[in-house]
Amino acid sequence: DAKTTQPNSMESNEEEPVHLPCNHSTISGTDYIHWYRQLPSQGPEYVIHGLTSNVNNRMASLAIAEDRKSSTLILHRATLRDAAVYYCILRDGFNNAGNMLTFGGGTRLMVKP
Amino acid sequence: EAGVAQSPRYKIIEKRQSVAFWCNPISGHATLYWYQQILGQGPKLLIQFQNNGVVDDSQLPKDRFSAERLKGVDSTLKIQPAKLEDSAVYLCASSLYRGVSTDTQYFGPGTRLTVL
Repeated sequence: DAKTTQPNSMESNEEEPVHLPCNHSTISGTDYIHWYRQLPSQGPEYVIHGLTSNVNNRMASLAIAEDRKSSTLILHRATLRDAAVYYCILRDGFNNAGNMLTFGGGTRLMVKP
Repeated sequence: EAGVAQSPRYKIIEKRQSVAFWCNPISGHATLYWYQQILGQGPKLLIQFQNNGVVDDSQLPKDRFSAERLKGVDSTLKIQPAKLEDSAVYLCASSLYRGVSTDTQYFGPGTRLTVL
């Protein structure tokens, strides 16, 4: 499986934008890039996903590099509630053997008031 | 819409004892997953069900762990006998169906197991 690399931790100020990077240099053409986050004492929750084009939803934006070897999750205005571990995960779009999520260590985002 | 339900939320047992966790997925979700999350690590898949059949249990320690999904709805994960290294949060997740790489998984709050 293609792997992802994320910084262990990042810090942000409340109400400022946050850019969370993810490197995936061995990504294949059929891999989708997914982001999940895990708030303290909760299960992970879906944030956003994309294949080639940048994506926006109510939670965040996903910027994907042209060569797809890296991506960035953008939180436009961080709030204290956004403090969580953010996981960047690759999922094969043509793998019918299963649909599991392979989590790495993720990035722990700390938000300062 | 109700989310994924898990019980109990916390469990403390001594090593060599048995323990069982219960999961009720979101109504209509065909696929159910059990993950193990050790402190400081990301979740690791233990087993995946499609309806009441097992799709992937390659990372389930079958000498002590077992899981079933009766009638394709609720699921139970059992550990017998427990070891100290089984201390972790056990997460249940569900999704509509497998084989779709954009299929969102919805997670329950987890059961925190402490083995003394």
